[in-house]
Amino acid sequence: AQTVTQSQPEMSVQEAETVTLSCTYDTSESDYYLFWYKQPPSRQMILVIRQEAYKQQNATENRFSVNFQKAAKSFSLKISDSQLGDAAMYFCALIKNSGGYQKVTFGTGTKLQVIP
Amino acid sequence: GAVVSQHPSRVICKSGTSVKIECRSLDFQATTMFWYRQFPKQSLMLMATSNEGSKATYEQGVEKDKFLINHASLTLSTLTVTSAHPEDSSFYICSASRRRFYSNQPQHFGDGTRLSIL
Repeated sequence: AQTVTQSQPEMSVQEAETVTLSCTYDTSESDYYLFWYKQPPSRQMILVIRQEAYKQQNATENRFSVNFQKAAKSFSLKISDSQLGDAAMYFCALIKNSGGYQKVTFGTGTKLQVIP
Repeated sequence: GAVVSQHPSRVICKSGTSVKIECRSLDFQATTMFWYRQFPKQSLMLMATSNEGSKATYEQGVEKDKFLINHASLTLSTLTVTSAHPEDSSFYICSASRRRFYSNQPQHFGDGTRLSIL
């Protein structure tokens, strides 16, 4: 079984500041991928960033970057220069192949508030 | 633009009614589609994985006779909530993945369906 844990139910950040959302996971697989999704009040799920487990280099996507620590099974998301539009629920997800199909597990989410 | 279309976005119906929700991939072939249920202020709970041409794989605790899933083509999966009751009221979201054998393919989500059973 695989698990994904987001220990911060809510976080807040001042506009233009930096915030880090934590995510830890557990899996016995060596081949898997990690994703961060954003769910704004509209409830649409939006892909923020992804990381291949076999890559040591941390993924970066504009103001979003991850700190991937494979040995520690940690996958935190850093948002730089926070903007009001970043306010949303953020979900960490682990996806692996299982019998030729994707097996996905989501964390419980972190609600991010951006303070003007 | 949206690559996965989910319809309807909102359903309000009487108890005992069966409700069908459609999930379509618009510009790619989705070999795998996923159905989630999300309660207020909670995470997505995977209900089932729908693979084109084969029976859906249901997660533990999800009644397959209650939530019928059909993935008849590479662009369409449907979830039918049979004989819906108020406890089935929830937000249902589908997602689609482009390719079967690669975990690095992100899931593309529909906009969700808010189901309210009176």
